[in-house]
Amino acid sequence: GAVVSQHPSRVICKSGTSVKIECRSLDFQATTMFWYRQFPKQSLMLMATSNEGSKATYEQGVEKDKFLINHASLTLSTLTVTSAHPEDSSFYICSAGPRTAGNTEAFFGQGTRLTVV
Amino acid sequence: QKEVEQNSGPLSVPEGAIASLNCTYSDRGSQSFFWYRQYSGKSPELIMSIYSNGDKEDGRFTAQLNKASQYVSLLIRDSQPSDSATYLCAVTFNDYKLSFGAGTTVTVRA
Repeated sequence: GAVVSQHPSRVICKSGTSVKIECRSLDFQATTMFWYRQFPKQSLMLMATSNEGSKATYEQGVEKDKFLINHASLTLSTLTVTSAHPEDSSFYICSAGPRTAGNTEAFFGQGTRLTVV
Repeated sequence: QKEVEQNSGPLSVPEGAIASLNCTYSDRGSQSFFWYRQYSGKSPELIMSIYSNGDKEDGRFTAQLNKASQYVSLLIRDSQPSDSATYLCAVTFNDYKLSFGAGTTVTVRA
């Protein structure tokens, strides 16, 4: 399958600081990428759709000013958690997929475990 | 997001047995269906995709889709301890924006 790389895999930050997470498609171009969040023992919840060259689309209840998304190239999307608080501690995962006819398989990055202390 | 329901777990099966996982979805317009495996602390890994009614087999995995009943299932034959994980059913209309079920945790007893 296609390769999606996410960095960092783990980060600990102080409350009130910002953290940037990168998501790269390594062997295909991705005009669209998706950011998910997963709390312990729960399923993945879509946060936003990252669109190359335009504004991200956020799901209901997700604060766009807190979770800044930038998709400046066809292979890179970044998620910045601004003014992080302990309740933002979670597992953040991005996904993308190569657009081929009849195939909408999406592949996930390795995920980023964020701990806010 | 569209609703996706999975049979509640956890599911415990002996090694060598068949593990059966079920999933229903609410949006009749859904076109693509996936099963992901997620090990604890890791991100999901795609193991099966299915787009049309019927069965699709890949190694020890068989996915079954019935669009009329809005039902998709996954069978794991000859279950191995390494199959112990949480299995996520995901559904999408026609893009990569996935709606996930809550997941079913499978434990294979050696």
